[in-house]
Amino acid sequence: GENVEQHPSTLSVQEGDSAVIKCTYSDSASNYFPWYKQELGKRPQLIIDIRSNVGEKKDQRIAVTLNKTAKHFSLHITETQPEDSAVYFCAVEAGGYQKVTFGTGTKLQVIP
Amino acid sequence: EAQVTQNPRYLITVTGKKLTVTCSQNMNHEYMSWYRQDPGLGLRQIYYSMNVEVTDKGDVPEGYKVSRKEKRNFPLILESPSPNQTSLYFCASSLRTGRNEQFFGPGTRLTVL
Repeated sequence: GENVEQHPSTLSVQEGDSAVIKCTYSDSASNYFPWYKQELGKRPQLIIDIRSNVGEKKDQRIAVTLNKTAKHFSLHITETQPEDSAVYFCAVEAGGYQKVTFGTGTKLQVIP
Repeated sequence: EAQVTQNPRYLITVTGKKLTVTCSQNMNHEYMSWYRQDPGLGLRQIYYSMNVEVTDKGDVPEGYKVSRKEKRNFPLILESPSPNQTSLYFCASSLRTGRNEQFFGPGTRLTVL
């Protein structure tokens, strides 16, 4: 089955700095890569996603890059703000099987 | 309002006592899924369903059952709960497949004594 590794598990940054979270996956047939944000005590919510025919996607301060050859994708948050503090999960949909595998999460703390 | 609902939100039970956690969505989504969330392990898929009467195992299906008799409902059944099933459970739905944004329910915190 699909194996998704996410790093780092915790990340502290100063407000205004950038944060980068990386995920690697094992199944080369995977072709959908979403990122979810989960605030404390809340449900996960999609913040950005990318499909395998695209290398990079941006939405204001967040961006995702995908390297299919190396089988990794990354979340980039620029100009971090305290409200970015949360747990972030990457996920991979295994191509053709409809199963979704999540990474183990990254707890991001933005220090004012 | 478009939403995914789960009930109950909190449940404390004892080993071996059958229970059902309900999940319902009002968005006419075809794909529904159950996850459990445990510290350090992220979200792990238990079962998913691509449409009525079509279900399949996720990564951690042991000890769980599901059914999809109607498009809007996807209950999770624990026939004989054990303490290792103590967890936070999320139901989710998406428009058509696992390749679309998933909308999560509010979660059900289950404790099995």
